[in-house]
Amino acid sequence: EAQVTQNPRYLITVTGKKLTVTCSQNMNHEYMSWYRQDPGLGLRQIYYSMNVEVTDKGDVPEGYKVSRKEKRNFPLILESPSPNQTSLYFCASSLSTGTSTEAFFGQGTRLTVV
Amino acid sequence: KNQVEQSPQSLIILEGKNCTLQCNYTVSPFSNLRWYKQDTGRGPVSLTIMTFSENTKSNGRYTATLDADTKQSSLHITASQLSDSASYICVVTAYILTGGGNKLTFGTGTQLKVEL
Repeated sequence: EAQVTQNPRYLITVTGKKLTVTCSQNMNHEYMSWYRQDPGLGLRQIYYSMNVEVTDKGDVPEGYKVSRKEKRNFPLILESPSPNQTSLYFCASSLSTGTSTEAFFGQGTRLTVV
Repeated sequence: KNQVEQSPQSLIILEGKNCTLQCNYTVSPFSNLRWYKQDTGRGPVSLTIMTFSENTKSNGRYTATLDADTKQSSLHITASQLSDSASYICVVTAYILTGGGNKLTFGTGTQLKVEL
């Protein structure tokens, strides 16, 4: 089954403790991205990757890192999480960034930083 | 600044009734407009994608319209079911002129609740 898999689904952590949220897709998609969703704000892009070893900042990249060493994986790294990073995070992938290319989203990771 | 505004913020309807959700955008250069359905606690799922030349597209009981001149779109749901209860998100894609690709701008969604 074609899917985008995020782990963990839920995470509670303390301020400053490094964490990684994993994202994996099995559709051989080139384009992957991370979003955060906060009440009243809609999804906002954190980082995106157009292919292996190619990553770029989205609209809200501060406090986050990503890597794309393999096509299927795109982990999101919070080196020193802070409470304002408490949010619902989604990973998405698409075959390319073409006009009508559909984006597939993971199930989400609800992160709480205390 | 690219923006997508949706209305209403929330809506409650009775099962079997129809409803229409609105989306206005100021995104350029326009590439396409998408409607997503997001169930509580889950990732968005694509319903329709429309390019500049398409002014209507259907997916089962969902019909989306696009007026590129007025920069408005609507999502019409026919004969609503309890399972239609979800957030419906309008997403407008703009071409990235330098470097290529597309950038998605998300609306904040309309929360629909279908009741018996």
